[in-house]
Amino acid sequence: NAGVMQNPRHLVRRRGQEARLRCSPMKGHSHVYWYRQLPEEGLKFMVYLQKENIIDESGMPKERFSAEFPKEGPSILRIQQVVRGDSAAYFCASSPSRTGLEAFFGQGTRLTVV
Amino acid sequence: TQLLEQSPQFLSIQEGENLTVYCNSSSVFSSLQWYRQEPGEGPVLLVTVVTGGEVKKLKRLTFQFGDARKDSSLHITAAQPGDTGLYLCAGVTGANNLFFGTGTRLTVIP
Repeated sequence: NAGVMQNPRHLVRRRGQEARLRCSPMKGHSHVYWYRQLPEEGLKFMVYLQKENIIDESGMPKERFSAEFPKEGPSILRIQQVVRGDSAAYFCASSPSRTGLEAFFGQGTRLTVV
Repeated sequence: TQLLEQSPQFLSIQEGENLTVYCNSSSVFSSLQWYRQEPGEGPVLLVTVVTGGEVKKLKRLTFQFGDARKDSSLHITAAQPGDTGLYLCAGVTGANNLFFGTGTRLTVIP
């Protein structure tokens, strides 16, 4: 059973471009969480999704950021018109749909905006 | 967004010493988890504590959940260089969301 897969591992974008980060959850997992991490800091919650639904997006900036988790395919975190301040590591985690949360994390995507 | 404060933020100790990391919040959580993160990797779950006052042991690591389910502690006995890493607590809400603490960077010097 493959773990949570994130790609790309590293992404470089120029200011103003779009960044698309992908997260394939573990097989059978229908909950996906996205977090952002700056060096030497904890993980800041961005968005929590279940298949085809956004459950909680309170941590995601209202502009330029969007997330989806379609019925088929990976979850996508999309950042439009990137700025230098978007540079960070972005992690996703998945969890099965049962009581008792057990989250498994991917290796992250390191976004650098130049 | 729930706020979980960890202390200390940085900790550097000699091999063989004991240490305690604290995780505090004003919010009540249905459960609390501790993760460890290595450089360049995602966090890895160490333990989940569910009941107020619960104590769990994992070899040299002891985890405790506060009686009011708002705080937790991680105690490491006889720390080893392999314990070096970023330790993160995370609170699970009733809505099944997961919020992380500010992190404690531990360095164990041989």
